[in-house]
Amino acid sequence: AQSVAQPEDQVNVAEGNPLTVKCTYSVSGNPYLFWYVQYPNRGLQFLLKYITGDNLVKGSYGFEAEFNKSQTSFHLKKPSALVSDSALYFCAVRLQSRRALTFGSGTRLQVQP
Amino acid sequence: DARVTQTPRHKVTEMGQEVTMRCQPILGHNTVFWYRQTMMQGLELLAYFRNRAPLDDSGMPKDRFSAEMPDATLATLKIQPSEPRDSAVYFCASGVPAADFTYNEQFFGPGTRLTVL
Repeated sequence: AQSVAQPEDQVNVAEGNPLTVKCTYSVSGNPYLFWYVQYPNRGLQFLLKYITGDNLVKGSYGFEAEFNKSQTSFHLKKPSALVSDSALYFCAVRLQSRRALTFGSGTRLQVQP
Repeated sequence: DARVTQTPRHKVTEMGQEVTMRCQPILGHNTVFWYRQTMMQGLELLAYFRNRAPLDDSGMPKDRFSAEMPDATLATLKIQPSEPRDSAVYFCASGVPAADFTYNEQFFGPGTRLTVL
């Protein structure tokens, strides 16, 4: 069965510093990997996805993620955090054979001014 | 710009009552998903439809939940009878699957926050 893990419930970072939100996955085939962000009282918004190709994927709002097949990881990164990046971040995985996403438990990112 | 809409945004009801949540997918999207979000369980898939037909509803308690797509512009999720443990935020999402699976974003609605007393 496919699964995705976000080992950190919360990540705290100072504004202007780089941020990393971790995600590891477990699937039996080739994964499609996604990051979504959820702001308070809002639905999830798509940030970026990895399907194939370059391991470094660039997405919305200056975020990027690095696919590492050997470590089965897909960490979300941003070179310089903004206070407005504070939100709940979800990593998700989908197999080629399925339509639906399996989401991680979410990581709350708190960026301090 | 196009977005998924959900109604109602908030619903407070008493145990035993029927609850109906509605979703209007983005025009042209033929795949609709229902998710439930709680503090304890996180985000769980309840069901999804393609071209109005249910593809997977294994995540949904069959005895009280039902999901339908009466037409391409409306998806409904019903709970009858509702229980306090159903209290959660219910999200609808829509998307367009490509034959080669390369276009696979799901667009989420704002959610319906359900409270069952």
